[in-house]
Parts: sequence; structure tokens; C-alpha cells
Amino acid sequence: EDQVTQSPEALRLQEGESSSLNCSYTVSGLRGLFWYRQDPGKGPEFLFTLYSAGEEKEKERLKATLTKKESFLHITAPKPEDSATYLCAVKGSSASKIIFGSGTRLSIRP
Amino acid sequence: ETGVTQSPTHLIKTRGQQVTLRCSSQSGHNTVSWYQQALGQGPQFIFQYYREEENGRGNFPPRFSGLQFPNYSSELNVNALELDDSALYLCASSPGGLAGASGANVLTFGAGSRLTVL
Repeated sequence: EDQVTQSPEALRLQEGESSSLNCSYTVSGLRGLFWYRQDPGKGPEFLFTLYSAGEEKEKERLKATLTKKESFLHITAPKPEDSATYLCAVKGSSASKIIFGSGTRLSIRP
Repeated sequence: ETGVTQSPTHLIKTRGQQVTLRCSSQSGHNTVSWYQQALGQGPQFIFQYYREEENGRGNFPPRFSGLQFPNYSSELNVNALELDDSALYLCASSPGGLAGASGANVLTFGAGSRLTVL
């Protein structure tokens, strides 16, 4: 069965302190690995899709990478406005559903 | 281009009652998925509709049911509400189309409907 595990559950950083969020996945025939950002009281907002090992995507201070078992979301020199919950999700070839992890709550202190 | 809209935003029900949540998909999207998100958890897949047919279902009992209409809007119905049904219910639309096509599976979410069951 497809599965997504995210770590850490919560991460508190000082403004400017770079770090990485981890997403470990098990899926039959990866059709896409997705990263979303969710602010309190709102729906998730799409960030990236990765399709194959070795692929990387960047957007402002965020960079997503993919291996055959994991994805990392690297945050470089974060700002307080980067505070949010970051969700990882996968879609496999055997099902129509997209499976989400439980997320990492990121807090950036000024 | 309008996004995904959901209604109502908040509602309170008592155990045993029934609820209907509504979702208008983003223009050009023909696939709608519903998710349940408990506090502090990730979204859990309920089901997906494509061209008015259920196209996949998660581990939810039959009292969770849905509809998709010709304009691709959708409803989620929950019967015999239980306390554990209290959650944020998220609707997401996607372009669908050919499996594996870039962007076909990118979900655009609404802001959700917050259901409290007392």
C-alpha cells in the first residue's frame, strides 16, 4: 500500500537558518511526488511536482529534490513568512488517489 | 480564472444528523477529489469523481457519499454523523486528462468546510 512519512513533525528555525524537511515514500509506480504549503485555516497550496529520481525544482527560497525513496524540501535563509505546514504527497500507478503525509509544521522566528 | 470554492465554511451538527458540503471546481478542471483533514493531520483521501463517476475511494464507510454534476461541481454527503467526523473537509479539483500528463494530477484546493459534530 502507498505510504508517505514526513519528518520532523515540527521544526523551529531562526530567520536565515537553512534546513531541510524529509518525505519518505513507498509507492507502486511513482506517477508524481508533490509538495504543498498549508497556512492555518486554508487549503493546501501547490508548490512542486517531481517525477523521477534526480529531479530538482526551485522556487524562491525553496528547493525540492527526489530520490527513489525520499524527497527533501530544502529551505535556504528562511523568512518568517515561510512559516506554514509543508505537506508531501504521492500518486502511484495503481490507484487514482493522491496520498498525503501528516506534514511538517515549520516556524521561523524573526 | 476562478479557484475552487467551498460552502459552507463552517457548520455545527449533532451526532446522527446528515450534512451536505458543496464544491465548485476551478474552470477547466474535470476531476474533483474530497479529503478529510483532522486537526494536526494530513489530508485523508475520501473519494474522487471524474466525469460524474466515482473514480476511486479511500477507507471511508458508505455513509460518506458524493456526486459530481455536469458542470463538474460536486457534493459530499455524510449520513449518521459521528463525533469523529469533526474535521476540515477539503475539495480539490485537477485538470485530469491523460494519465501521466504533466500537470494532470496537480490538485487545486478550496479553503475547506470546517465541520463540528457535537
